[in-house]
Amino acid sequence: EPEVTQTPSHQVTQMGQEVILRCVPISNHLYFYWYRQILGQKVEFLVSFYNNEISEKSEIFDDQFSVERPDGSNFTLKIRSTKLEDSAMYFCASITSGSREFFGPGTRLTVL
Amino acid sequence: KNEVEQSPQNLTAQEGEFITINCSYSVGISALHWLQQHPGGGIVSLFMLSSGKKKHGRLIATINIQEKHSSLHITASHPRDSAVYICAVQKTSYDKVIFGPGTSLSVIP
Repeated sequence: EPEVTQTPSHQVTQMGQEVILRCVPISNHLYFYWYRQILGQKVEFLVSFYNNEISEKSEIFDDQFSVERPDGSNFTLKIRSTKLEDSAMYFCASITSGSREFFGPGTRLTVL
Repeated sequence: KNEVEQSPQNLTAQEGEFITINCSYSVGISALHWLQQHPGGGIVSLFMLSSGKKKHGRLIATINIQEKHSSLHITASHPRDSAVYICAVQKTSYDKVIFGPGTSLSVIP
């Protein structure tokens, strides 16, 4: 079965540093998403991306966050200046017509 | 108010028991998902439903669109079924997934 991949699996960073989380969606998928899950809480939507632009973003997705599809295969989430409260598991997902949403394995971000 | 609710929040069962996890939602949907999350965090899709009932092995998922309610059943539960089970919905086909709070299941040998 095709799968979404994410790198790194675990990222540790200092508060105020920039991080880039990477995702490789399934190749023929057209819609891409980032979600996050703070430890012990439910999964929350961050942003959706279609046709090389953001189609929807949540209140969480403020100016510190950005997404990009730099080369037609990778889909990245950048956090410009990390805060302690950004510590969470970040999931990438992709979907195409008629299919279910495929989730990546997640990147655990720890901000110290 | 949360758009997706689940009950129970936590569930402990003896191996072999029949388990039911319930989900109710308050919005119009195009699809409902049942997902499984193991310790370590990865999310696995179990079912995607828009009507009726689906079965896969020992897992059965049902949905009642009029009642805005879905259930996930596990027959002959096993310790390896221990995980968090998440109900989630999509309002339209390409919309974001709205997650419920999850039900933490522990099956004891």
